[in-house]
Amino acid sequence: GEDVEQSLFLSVREGDSSVINCTYTDSSSTYLYWYKQEPGAGLQLLTYIFSNMDMKQDQRLTVLLNKKDKHLSLRIADTQTGDSAIYFCAEKDWDAGNMLTFGGGTRLMVKP
Amino acid sequence: ETGVTQSPTHLIKTRGQQVTLRCSSQSGHNTVSWYQQALGQGPQFIFQYYREEENGRGNFPPRFSGLQFPNYSSELNVNALELDDSALYLCASSPATGRGETQYFGPGTRLLVL
Repeated sequence: GEDVEQSLFLSVREGDSSVINCTYTDSSSTYLYWYKQEPGAGLQLLTYIFSNMDMKQDQRLTVLLNKKDKHLSLRIADTQTGDSAIYFCAEKDWDAGNMLTFGGGTRLMVKP
Repeated sequence: ETGVTQSPTHLIKTRGQQVTLRCSSQSGHNTVSWYQQALGQGPQFIFQYYREEENGRGNFPPRFSGLQFPNYSSELNVNALELDDSALYLCASSPATGRGETQYFGPGTRLLVL
């Protein structure tokens, strides 16, 4: 089965860039997702990438994928205090009802 | 376009009781997935429903069961509640079950089992 891992915590200053990292294990083609969760809320889809791509950019968000190392990163440019939240990466498992396997989440704290 | 909605928002039950959680999928979506998120952890897949049939199940015991209705709304039922069932239960809908379909999440139901 899949296993998705993330670092627990990241602290940055407002205006800096944030880079949140994730590793996954599935060797087949798959979709990889980034979700944001604010306190007491559900998951907000931020962006996603298919595993045959290297990079995807969407406004302040850049996703980089290193297929050889099975490493995914989310870069947030010009990080704002409103970006403080928990960020989850997730991998889709096509063999199990298209379920998503989530990492444990990275808590991003943005200091003013 | 209405997003995914869930009810109730919060619920307190005692061990051994049964609970039903409800989810309305986003307009145009026929697939609903349920996830359990324990405190401080990532969500874990419980099961998925497509056109009223179970379409995949995670590593959860049979006392976790579900239904999907003709309007694509869904229920999650948990029998014989245990303390470890305390969690945020998230529902997600997607337009279909295709490999490229993205899942959109509701706000969740927070269940506390005492």
